[in-house]
Amino acid sequence: GNSVTQMEGPVTLSEEAFLTINCTYTATGYPSLFWYVQYPGEGLQLLLKATKADDKGSNKGFEATYRKETTSFHLEKGSVQVSDSAVYFCALWMDSSYKLIFGSGTRLLVRP
Amino acid sequence: DVKVTQSSRYLVKRTGEKVFLECVQDMDHENMFWYRQDPGLGLRLIYFSYDVKMKEKGDIPEGYSVSREKKERFSLILESASTNQTSMYLCASSPTGQGAFDYGYTFGSGTRLTVV
Repeated sequence: GNSVTQMEGPVTLSEEAFLTINCTYTATGYPSLFWYVQYPGEGLQLLLKATKADDKGSNKGFEATYRKETTSFHLEKGSVQVSDSAVYFCALWMDSSYKLIFGSGTRLLVRP
Repeated sequence: DVKVTQSSRYLVKRTGEKVFLECVQDMDHENMFWYRQDPGLGLRLIYFSYDVKMKEKGDIPEGYSVSREKKERFSLILESASTNQTSMYLCASSPTGQGAFDYGYTFGSGTRLTVV
C-alpha cells in the first residue's frame, strides 16, 4: 500500500543552521507530495507541495524537490529561526483517492 | 479567513460515556475528515465524508462513528469511550479534485480528549 516514512525526531538545531528533514514514500502510481507544519497548540498548515517528478515546492524559505528516482521529498531550509520550531509532516495524495497519507511527523527544535 | 472550528479544545470524559466531537467548516468544502494524532504514530484517519450523509471508514474506525447531516458539520462519536481513545483529534476539510491539491487540507486546532 501507499505509505510515507520520515526521519525520527526530535531534530535540535541552533539558529541559522541548515535543516534537512528526510521523507521517502512508497506508492503505486504517481502521487502528489506535501509538507505540512504544526506549530504548538495549533492544527496543521500546508507548507509546500509538488505534483510531479523534479518539481520543487517552496515557501517561507523552505524547499523540497520531488525525486522520483529515490522516491523522496526531503525538506530543507538554509537558515532556521527559533520561530520554525514545530512538527513537520510529509504526506502523499493519490489523484484516485480523497485522502492524504501522512508520515509520523518530525519535531524540530531551534535554539537561540 | 477560512476556518475549520472544533467545538472543544480540551475534553475529559469517563470510561463508557458517549462522546461527541463537533467540527464545522465555513468554506463549502465537500470533503471532511477526522484524524487522531498520537506521538510516534503521526496522523491516522478514522473516518471521512465526501458528501452529506456519505461516509467511509478510514484506517482505524473501530470504536468510532460519524454523522454528517449538513455539509458544513461533521461529528465524530465515541459510542463508549475507553482509555485507549485518549488522544488529540483533528478535523480537516478539503474541496474535491484539483482544489484539494491547490489548497490542501484545512485543519482545525484539535481537541485533546482524555478518557479517565
